[in-house]
Amino acid sequence: EVELAESGGGLVQPGGSLRLSCGASGFTFSSYWMSWVRQAPGKGLEWVANIKEDGSEKHYVDSVKGRFTISRDNARNSLYLQMNSLRDEDTAIYYCARDRVQWLNHAFDIWGQGTMVTVSS
Amino acid sequence: DIQMTQSPSSLSASVGDRVTITCRTSQSISGYLNWYHQKPGKAPELLIHAASNLQSGVPSRFSGSGSGTDFTLTISSLQPEDFATYYCQQSYSTPFTFGPGTKVDIK
Repeated sequence: EVELAESGGGLVQPGGSLRLSCGASGFTFSSYWMSWVRQAPGKGLEWVANIKEDGSEKHYVDSVKGRFTISRDNARNSLYLQMNSLRDEDTAIYYCARDRVQWLNHAFDIWGQGTMVTVSS
Repeated sequence: DIQMTQSPSSLSASVGDRVTITCRTSQSISGYLNWYHQKPGKAPELLIHAASNLQSGVPSRFSGSGSGTDFTLTISSLQPEDFATYYCQQSYSTPFTFGPGTKVDIK
């Protein structure tokens, strides 16, 4: 079965750091782009970052550039999001999603269950 | 960044109704548009990719159309399990952006 499972969320103070992980199973992880998408409490979806199959290309939303780093380990079938200098507005459920590219269109076809990140003093 | 709008922001409908949701983008994105729905407490699920292509396993009552800046998601006969929030998402350029959502609830 194709699955994604996030971990690493929790409560952190403003200015702190957190590293999220996402384990993949049931598909050839190294053949897919991967993305992180977040959802603040009661709000809509916001794409955060994505990374190419081999890690050679990464893109970020402006609000996290310079603070967050997306990475992957294809040998471990794992995706990561290093989050530094966290702000209150980073509080959200963070979803890992398989970023399937067909005809140049990126669609998020598999999602994890999400991990909650709360930034608060 | 490409801005997304959806209309309506919410709607009430009955089982069996035909429902149409519209998504508009701030610039032309050709057909780089996807649709998702999300039920409370759950992760989103992909319904339509590249504007009009039904995702594998999604019921045929869902359909998508449009190109350029105007797109439509149609549910031909609303079922109880379709009550959810619906989002469009563009992948024409990064940052990828989502619409604000359309909440479909029971009349």
